[in-house]
Amino acid sequence: IVVTQSPLSLPVTPGEPASISCRSSQSLLHSNGYTYLDWYVQKPGQSPQLLIYFGSNRASGVPDRFSGSGSGTDFTLKISRVEAADVGVYYCMQALEGRTFGQGTKVEIK
Amino acid sequence: EVRLVESGGGLEQPGGSLRLSCAAAEFNFSPYSMNWVRQAPGKGLEWISHISSSSSTMFYADSVRGRFTISRDNAKNTLFLEMTRLTDDDTAIYYCAREAGGGMDVWGQGTTVIVSS
Repeated sequence: IVVTQSPLSLPVTPGEPASISCRSSQSLLHSNGYTYLDWYVQKPGQSPQLLIYFGSNRASGVPDRFSGSGSGTDFTLKISRVEAADVGVYYCMQALEGRTFGQGTKVEIK
Repeated sequence: EVRLVESGGGLEQPGGSLRLSCAAAEFNFSPYSMNWVRQAPGKGLEWISHISSSSSTMFYADSVRGRFTISRDNAKNTLFLEMTRLTDDDTAIYYCAREAGGGMDVWGQGTTVIVSS
């Protein structure tokens, strides 16, 4: 399964919303009803960390400014109000067949 | 504090072998599936291998299948990655990550592998 993100670079203004798109080459909906799409962020100099799992579930400790949506092959990560601490590279990952990361979207402050 | 600690990285010649370890601390290791993910210098994340909690299921990325072997010792709370026939393209930071019911929720700090003559 191929996973494609856009944009690859996203300059943002603090306080403004931001959105990242992720598309998969086939549906990520499992017969068990779960959608196997996660979102991660890797902040500068750090290991990646989980933001969203099963398409729309926030991981423990993740601020509610972050939300995941979508179904089938089209998914979106939204940040309602960007903060300086949100700078980093954001990845979507499919977990339906093996695991595949998208190319990453670099979020930086304008 | 729940944590994963990788070790075993280093400098190896092309064609050589390395064995990475990932030690789990402060959580019950055995019920969790585990993964290895790597990141080449200046590049994005690349998933390379997954193992189920009981070692009954293992998956590999095409880039490492047949050369790398994932395994685990639940009694010792440790995950392993045996890497053989190394090439320059295997140069990367290697992370282990715990997989919960959804998502990889705990990551190690990574261990660096450099393949060079």
